[in-house]
Amino acid sequence: EAQVTQNPRYLITVTGKKLTVTCSQNMNHEYMSWYRQDPGLGLRQIYYSMNVEVTDKGDVPEGYKVSRKEKRNFPLILESPSPNQTSLYFCASSLQAPPQETQYFGPGTRLLVL
Amino acid sequence: SQQGEEDPQALSIQEGENATMNCSYKTSINNLQWYRQNSGRGLVHLILIRSNEREKHSGRLRVTLDTSKKSSSLLITASRAADTASYFCATDPWGTGGFKTIFGAGTRLFVKA
Repeated sequence: EAQVTQNPRYLITVTGKKLTVTCSQNMNHEYMSWYRQDPGLGLRQIYYSMNVEVTDKGDVPEGYKVSRKEKRNFPLILESPSPNQTSLYFCASSLQAPPQETQYFGPGTRLLVL
Repeated sequence: SQQGEEDPQALSIQEGENATMNCSYKTSINNLQWYRQNSGRGLVHLILIRSNEREKHSGRLRVTLDTSKKSSSLLITASRAADTASYFCATDPWGTGGFKTIFGAGTRLFVKA
């Protein structure tokens, strides 16, 4: 089944404790992206990747890192999480860079930073 | 910064009625897409309309695009309780090479059975 998977789905952590949210797609998509969703703000793009080893900042990249060493994986790294990074995070992928292509979204990761 | 803004923020209708949601954006775009999100879940793509298109249909969905007004509308006809969800427009502003996607804050639609 074609899908985007994220792990973990739920995470509670404390300020400053490094964490990684994994994202994997099995559709051989070139483009992958991370978003965060906060009430009243919709989805905001954190980082995106056009292909392996090619990444760039979205609108809200501060406090986040990403890497794209393999085509299928695009982990999101929070080196020193802070409470303002409490949010719902979505990974998405598309065959090529949007908007020509539909983005397929993962199920989301709920993060609470205490 | 938010490129797309949906209007209204929330909409409550009876089953069978039509639902119209609007999206306005600030800068020129190549394309505009509409997505649907069921409570807390991932977004599902509904329809894409290109900047040189004015109207597009998909089943009970009708999307219009007015580039002169920098706005789009999504019409859901003969709504069903299962249409209850949040709806988002997404754009790719010119000058970003098509790599960035900017979502609006969404419209919450509630369809009463």
